[in-house]
Amino acid sequence: DAGVTQSPTHLIKTRGQHVTLRCSPISGHKSVSWYQQVLGQGPQFIFQYYEKEERGRGNFPDRFSARQFPNYSSELNVNALLLGDSALYLCASSPRSGGAYTQYFGPGTRLTVL
Amino acid sequence: RKEVEQDPGPFNVPEGATVAFNCTYSNSASQSFFWYRQDCRKEPKLLMSVYSSGNEDGRFTAQLNRASQYISLLIRDSKLSDSATYLCVVNTNTNAGKSTFGDGTTLTVKP
Repeated sequence: DAGVTQSPTHLIKTRGQHVTLRCSPISGHKSVSWYQQVLGQGPQFIFQYYEKEERGRGNFPDRFSARQFPNYSSELNVNALLLGDSALYLCASSPRSGGAYTQYFGPGTRLTVL
Repeated sequence: RKEVEQDPGPFNVPEGATVAFNCTYSNSASQSFFWYRQDCRKEPKLLMSVYSSGNEDGRFTAQLNRASQYISLLIRDSKLSDSATYLCVVNTNTNAGKSTFGDGTTLTVKP
């Protein structure tokens, strides 16, 4: 079975632009979470979606938004990019909502903002 | 103070050594605990869940002390392939799908 897939793998943008990152969860998984990982730090939680509804939001500005589609894939949107948004963006899926479930991560999208 | 704190590392050990990583968490409502492994420029991958009774998977042993809010990972007979960053992860089951990660401890196993 295919794992979590993300696209694109790498992206270079300039300040002020917007970006859309995409994620397809493991087949049968209904929960998708997004994380930002800055170099040298652990992943930081951005959003979690389950059954197309937002279930959790981390401490990120409103420039960050996300949604989940009927097929459980998800998009993360970031507007008005800042240099500090440069990071690895990770998508994780799990079968259901709930912290006891293992999360499986995709390979990430590496975003560079110039 | 971070919600999940880990030994800063890095740990540089010879092959065959035993190494232990520690992790503390501040949220007493935390219910689920994991160790993930992350190779350079790759995604985190689950190494093992951590149970109250402690659990072992081959050369890896994880322990949880709820009273002290402390988690540990022991690696015996280190292999070169164990070189990676080890991330401590804590979940509160009410925060569905939100995992709180430590910043990781980097291990380098040398020949």
